[in-house]
Amino acid sequence: ILNVEQSPQSLHVQEGDSTNFTCSFPSSNFYALHWYRWETAKSPEALFVMTLNGDEKKKGRISATLNTKEGYSYLYIKGSQPEDSATYLCAFRLTTDSWGKLQFGAGTQVVVTP
Amino acid sequence: DTAVSQTPKYLVTQMGNDKSIKCEQNLGHDTMYWYKQDSKKFLKIMFSYNNKELIINETVPNRFSPKSPDKAHLNLHINSLELGDSAVYFCASSQGREGKAKNIQYFGAGTRLSVL
Repeated sequence: ILNVEQSPQSLHVQEGDSTNFTCSFPSSNFYALHWYRWETAKSPEALFVMTLNGDEKKKGRISATLNTKEGYSYLYIKGSQPEDSATYLCAFRLTTDSWGKLQFGAGTQVVVTP
Repeated sequence: DTAVSQTPKYLVTQMGNDKSIKCEQNLGHDTMYWYKQDSKKFLKIMFSYNNKELIINETVPNRFSPKSPDKAHLNLHINSLELGDSAVYFCASSQGREGKAKNIQYFGAGTRLSVL
């Protein structure tokens, strides 16, 4: 994988259901992996930054895991609510990248229906 | 107070014109960025400045010139606008440089540029 890939591109979730989606990135020269939440008509907002293999982060009902050896991260939403509807972006930085250079995926659009 | 603010929000202009987009952050950060959201919705880094010093300069046409009068401002000037420049441009800021892996970036709301 040369760039970051997110799957699925979009998903629909019933309120109350849990869901998860994937970010795949190059496993060589890994430095950091970011997750951002992007609501329509707003700015992307940082959720998590992870740097170590096996890292797990949690913020309320949203959590993320990181596997740097195989090059993937999962984002989980537990008990989805309509306010979780947003596009979730992941971005990675390699050790060979200039400071601050994040390479973003196209995002997973999540729609939570009541 | 908006942490990272961009103006204008919308910009409609004719091909060949020169335009600027302004960005200001009140977070006290020392690093600022410009991104372009391409047709496939990817956010692509264009430029980054740290304390008014250019640190990232991706392969961008030289019609695009960033200007950082101070570390709270990073403006984007575009000369001789072309149809392909139509996109949403995002400004962002973060704190710190090497040795600080977090580099959480805070984004503006975007400027939608339409070149006719």
